[in-house]
Amino acid sequence: EAGVVQSPRYKIIEKKQPVAFWCNPISGHNTLYWYRQNLGQGPELLIRYENEEAVDDSQLPKDRFSAERLKGVDSTLKIQPAELGDSAVYLCASSLALGYYEQFFGPGTRLTVL
Amino acid sequence: SQQGEEDPQALSIQEGENATMNCSYKTSINNLQWYRQNSGRGLVHLILIRSNEREKHSGRLRVTLDTSKKSSSLLITASRAADTASYFCATVDGGKLTFGTGTRLQVTL
Repeated sequence: EAGVVQSPRYKIIEKKQPVAFWCNPISGHNTLYWYRQNLGQGPELLIRYENEEAVDDSQLPKDRFSAERLKGVDSTLKIQPAELGDSAVYLCASSLALGYYEQFFGPGTRLTVL
Repeated sequence: SQQGEEDPQALSIQEGENATMNCSYKTSINNLQWYRQNSGRGLVHLILIRSNEREKHSGRLRVTLDTSKKSSSLLITASRAADTASYFCATVDGGKLTFGTGTRLQVTL
């Protein structure tokens, strides 16, 4: 069974540039999560989807971050414009359903903003 | 924001020894989970313990939960070099997973 797929794995951009991350969850998983992980810290939730609906986006900095999950499968997380402080690893995870607590994580995208 | 704090922040042991990591959290939970993260396999779920459970085992892992003290511990017995990784506790409340700051475990030969 294929795991959670993320691309790109690494991204280096100049500040003020836009950037997008893509995630394909495990087939059949209705719930999708985006996390940000700073160096030496645990992941922090940015947004949580149940199918196409964002059920928790309270931690998403909406002035520059946006996300979508069209058709309830793939998801894209965008930052525009990027700032130096956005350098981090962006992780996508999925689970069977909202009440199913084990989450499966992708390898992440390591973003460096110069 | 981080919910839990792991203790110690870093731990170095020799292969064959046991490793114990502790996690403290702040609010009520549905369950608590432990995850492992290394460069090879990313972040992987290890074990889940529900709020009405006190102890759980899985292979070489033993997890305890004390809801009155808002704390949990993870014991890895007979450690191996492959156990070298960062270990995170994560609390679950209302379907939301909140991670702690992690313990970096180094197992040397």
